[in-house]
Amino acid sequence: GEKVEQHESTLSVREGDSAVINCTYTDTASSYFPWYKQEAGKSLHFVIDIRSNVDRKQSQRLIVLLDKKAKRFSLHITATQPEDSAIYFCAASGGSNYKLTFGKGTLLTVTP
Amino acid sequence: NAGVIQTPRHKVTGKGQEATLWCEPISGHSAVFWYRQTIVQGLEFLTYFRNQAPIDDSGMPKERFSAQMPNQSHSTLKIQSTQPQDSAVYLCASSMGLGGAETLYFGSGTRLTVL
Repeated sequence: GEKVEQHESTLSVREGDSAVINCTYTDTASSYFPWYKQEAGKSLHFVIDIRSNVDRKQSQRLIVLLDKKAKRFSLHITATQPEDSAIYFCAASGGSNYKLTFGKGTLLTVTP
Repeated sequence: NAGVIQTPRHKVTGKGQEATLWCEPISGHSAVFWYRQTIVQGLEFLTYFRNQAPIDDSGMPKERFSAQMPNQSHSTLKIQSTQPQDSAVYLCASSMGLGGAETLYFGSGTRLTVL
């Protein structure tokens, strides 16, 4: 089955800087790559996704890049703010499209 | 829209007891998922229903775990003879269920502690 590795377990940036979180996956059949955010004491909520028919997607300060050859995707958060502090999870769909395999999460801390 | 509702928020059981976790998906959503979250394993897929029908339970420990969706407004996850290693946050999520990869809406989870 699919395996997703999230490379940074923790990441600390200064407010206003950019943060980059990298993930790799194993299943070439994966076509859907969402990112979820979990704030302290709360559940996960969706932030952005990318599908395999594109290699870049942007939503305001969030940019997702997908490199299918390298089986790698990344989340870029520009102009970070303290409220971006949270655990970010990447995920890949595998061949099923519904059964997400999640990375272990990256704790992002944005310091003022 | 209250979102996905999970009850109870916390449950403590003794080893060998049964635990039943409840989930109310967002109204109109056709797909319901159960995931388990632990520090060591992270988020693990357990099972998936579409239009109340069980589609994939490949993540469920077969012997003691069972899930049902008796109607479109709730799903249950039952763990028999709970063991300490079952301690985790159990997350229910729903999606529109249109057949493709879609945004999951997660509940707040049930934190199960097995003593």
